[in-house]
Amino acid sequence: GEDVEQSLFLSVREGDSSVINCTYTDSSSTYLYWYKQEPGAGLQLLTYIFSNMDMKQDQRLTVLLNKKDKHLSLRIADTQTGDSAIYFCAEPHGSSNTGKLIFGQGTTLQVKP
Amino acid sequence: DAGVIQSPRHEVTEMGQEVTLRCKPISGHDYLFWYRQTMMRGLELLIYFNNNVPIDDSGMPEDRFSAKMPNASFSTLKIQPSEPRDSAVYFCASSFGSRQQYFGPGTRLTVT
Repeated sequence: GEDVEQSLFLSVREGDSSVINCTYTDSSSTYLYWYKQEPGAGLQLLTYIFSNMDMKQDQRLTVLLNKKDKHLSLRIADTQTGDSAIYFCAEPHGSSNTGKLIFGQGTTLQVKP
Repeated sequence: DAGVIQSPRHEVTEMGQEVTLRCKPISGHDYLFWYRQTMMRGLELLIYFNNNVPIDDSGMPEDRFSAKMPNASFSTLKIQPSEPRDSAVYFCASSFGSRQQYFGPGTRLTVT
């Protein structure tokens, strides 16, 4: 069945780069998402990438997609304490337009000053 | 738009009591999702609706849980009777088609 896997925890120092990794199973996914959840809040869409792209850059964020290995990564440059949050990778459920997303377990990013 | 609105933000109740969580999706969105988040199990999809019709309720834990969407602007998630293991943060999210989901702030439920 469909599954999205992430490592659970990452700790970095302020100013360093953070790389959060994700593997997914559905090769027919048209796009993949990264959501951010700050303490005490709901999930917010951080960025997304279409499956016909290998890379997407948005300011400090870089998303890399390796379709062959079904591997997605999120790189945060110059990580700040405000980036401390849980980051979720998600893919659409199935190849049809169901509206449902499959979320990973979430990676807790801890940024040390 | 105000975003997805959930109420109450916090709910503390005793075991055995009925709990009703409420959600107002973003106007114009045709999908509505209910999620539960706990430390142990992470984020779980409980049920989702398309155009007010339940599409997939396979994530609903048991018969004590029920959800309704009487119209496009309102949904409820009811737990009756509640148990301590139902303690979690419950999120409602909405989307237009298969595009990004917008999450509400969540309801933190504590059952004592």
